[in-house]
Amino acid sequence: AQSVTQLGSHVSVSEGALVLLRCNYSSSVPPYLFWYVQYPNQGLQLLLKYTTGATLVKGINGFEAEFKKSETSFHLTKPSAHMSDAAEYFCAVTTNTGGFKTIFGAGTRLFVKA
Amino acid sequence: DAGVTQSPTHLIKTRGQQVTLRCSPKSGHDTVSWYQQALGQGPQFIFQYYEEEERQRGNFPDRFSGHQFPNYSSELNVNALLLGDSALYLCASSRATDSRVFTEAFFGQGTRLTVV
Repeated sequence: AQSVTQLGSHVSVSEGALVLLRCNYSSSVPPYLFWYVQYPNQGLQLLLKYTTGATLVKGINGFEAEFKKSETSFHLTKPSAHMSDAAEYFCAVTTNTGGFKTIFGAGTRLFVKA
Repeated sequence: DAGVTQSPTHLIKTRGQQVTLRCSPKSGHDTVSWYQQALGQGPQFIFQYYEEEERQRGNFPDRFSGHQFPNYSSELNVNALLLGDSALYLCASSRATDSRVFTEAFFGQGTRLTVV
C-alpha cells in the first residue's frame, strides 16, 4: 500500500529565505507525485507534478521539486519565500491499483516572517 | 470552463441526520473522487466513481455512499451523521482515457459540513 510522510507539520522561514518542505513516499508500483497548496477555507491547487521523464519539475509561483527514487523523496523547494507563500502544503502520491488512487500527506503549514 | 463545482459550500446538520453533497466535474472529465479533510489534517480518500460505479474505496464505513450520474456528476451521501463527520469534503475529477495513464485531478472548493 502507498503512503506519504511529510516531515514537519509546521515550517517557519523569513521572507526571502529558502523554502524546503520534505516529503517521503512509499509505493510498491511507480508513483505519480504531486504537491498541492491550500489557502484557508479553499480547495486544493496543484503546484507541480511528476509523472514521467525529468526528475526535476518546476511548478507555479517559483516552486520546484525533485523526484529521487533511491531516497523515495519528493521535496518541495523555492529559492526565496514571499509572504503570499504562507499556506498549507500537501504532498500526494497516485498509483494505479486497479484504478488510480491518490493518497495525501498530513500537510505542512508554512509560515513566512517579515 | 467552470472547473469542478461543489454544492452547497456550507452545511450544518444535526447528529443522526442524513446529508447529500453534490459535485460537477470539470468539462471532459469522467472520473470523480471524494475526500474528507478534517481540521488540521490531509484529505482522506473516501471513494472513486467511474462509469457510474464505485471503483475504489478508502477506509470509510458504509454510512458513506455515493452515486455517479450519466453526465458524470456525482453525489456523496452520509447517513446517521456523527459529530466526527464534521469536515471539509472535497471532490476531484480526472479523465480516464487510458487505464495506464493518469491525468491530474482537479479539485473543487469543497463543502464545509458541520454536525452539531
